[in-house]
Amino acid sequence: KNEVEQSPQNLTAQEGEFITINCSYSVGISALHWLQQHPGGGIVSLFMLSSGKKKHGRLIATINIQEKHSSLHITASHPRDSAVYICAVVAIGRAQKLVFGQGTRLTINP
Amino acid sequence: ETGVTQSPTHLIKTRGQQVTLRCSSQSGHNTVSWYQQALGQGPQFIFQYYREEENGRGNFPPRFSGLQFPNYSSELNVNALELDDSALYLCASSFVMNTEAFFGQGTRLTVV
Repeated sequence: KNEVEQSPQNLTAQEGEFITINCSYSVGISALHWLQQHPGGGIVSLFMLSSGKKKHGRLIATINIQEKHSSLHITASHPRDSAVYICAVVAIGRAQKLVFGQGTRLTINP
Repeated sequence: ETGVTQSPTHLIKTRGQQVTLRCSSQSGHNTVSWYQQALGQGPQFIFQYYREEENGRGNFPPRFSGLQFPNYSSELNVNALELDDSALYLCASSFVMNTEAFFGQGTRLTVV
């Protein structure tokens, strides 16, 4: 079993829909990252969380440390949001490395 | 634009050859981590450098080695390339890992 699990693995939605991507982890963490990866490979950091909630534009990220769970929400989704979204955690005692989920491939159709 | 640059962007090598990948970290960042991302998979941690010293290593054989220079740029070297080494190699820089990590665009390595 992976230490970081994301769901769903693939998600297709229509423009304007509210999107939720979930991340569960089984290790102790000091921080959690939500990342966006476009075709071609480059990764962009969206959020880094250690507690609570953060909002940036149409993106909202929440984390529940007790439940070891985080969610990424996209409001009013747009085709340009189509990408792979990756959850990664900074695992305690692991030389501060990032442990990645498998990613969620999001496709927003016009 | 993250300020983290990797070179080259694409590379084709023959099995058994050696390769060096480079990463220039964001100004002020003293920590560089390298990751291997196989097609359709999440990135896997290779190793991390902090102030020119290796600061943790993932489950990769010794033919994967690295360096960090005084300006905090970094190299990843892979010897005796195997077909399974074909992947996207990502570097991420940060000012210690509990702060936001900035990723480069990656180097796509194909071993034939």
